[in-house]
Amino acid sequence: QSVLTQPPSVSAAPGQKVTISCSGGSSNIGKNYVSWYQQLPGTAPKVLIYDNDKRPSGIPDRFSGSKSGTSATLGITGLQTGDEADYYCGTWDTSLSVGQVFGGGTRLTVL
Amino acid sequence: EVQLVESGGDLVQPGRSLRLSCAASGFIFDDYAMHWVRQAPGKGLEWVSGINSNSRSVGFADSVKGRFTISRDNAKNSLYVQMKSLRPEDTAVYYCARMSTTTWHRGYFDSWGQGTLVTVSS
Repeated sequence: QSVLTQPPSVSAAPGQKVTISCSGGSSNIGKNYVSWYQQLPGTAPKVLIYDNDKRPSGIPDRFSGSKSGTSATLGITGLQTGDEADYYCGTWDTSLSVGQVFGGGTRLTVL
Repeated sequence: EVQLVESGGDLVQPGRSLRLSCAASGFIFDDYAMHWVRQAPGKGLEWVSGINSNSRSVGFADSVKGRFTISRDNAKNSLYVQMKSLRPEDTAVYYCARMSTTTWHRGYFDSWGQGTLVTVSS
């Protein structure tokens, strides 16, 4: 069971918008930055969003991130079939011992 | 271009040891903390261990603490993880990942290798 909670799957039609939630607690999301990673089938993860809402160079502005309290959200607009992937949120947890924690992952299907 | 290439994955029996390596290129290795993150077959990501750019501080997930050791050789642009007393639940693809800062417990994973598969089975 993951420390951060994500929906197992989301789906939407091409061109539509989808949001993926990530719920945590006061020892992780509540006090640390959140990052989001995209893992296309058979490939390594890639960072999409860091520091809650910042995009690395090369990541289109169709991808956005936000954080409020102990939850974070990834938004994807103008969905494309190439966006079909697993998406993970991640952050630092500073409860008993420091470590990076991830959500269980959300499978995005573009119908 | 940042490149991280893992090696050393293999099929090993429970209780045995294995050492993974990650060769880095395309950036100044000394300037970044480094990590190992694993993914069991069909499962999500699990952080394993991290090390500061200068090797002075390291961290481990509770699931591997006392069994895994992380190290780096900045002269060789290489990251390692020594895994002992391996268990079937350690079976996973192990990714080498670069941290965005010099400190292992700050920042985000800005680059990832393609991973190396470790299978622990009798």
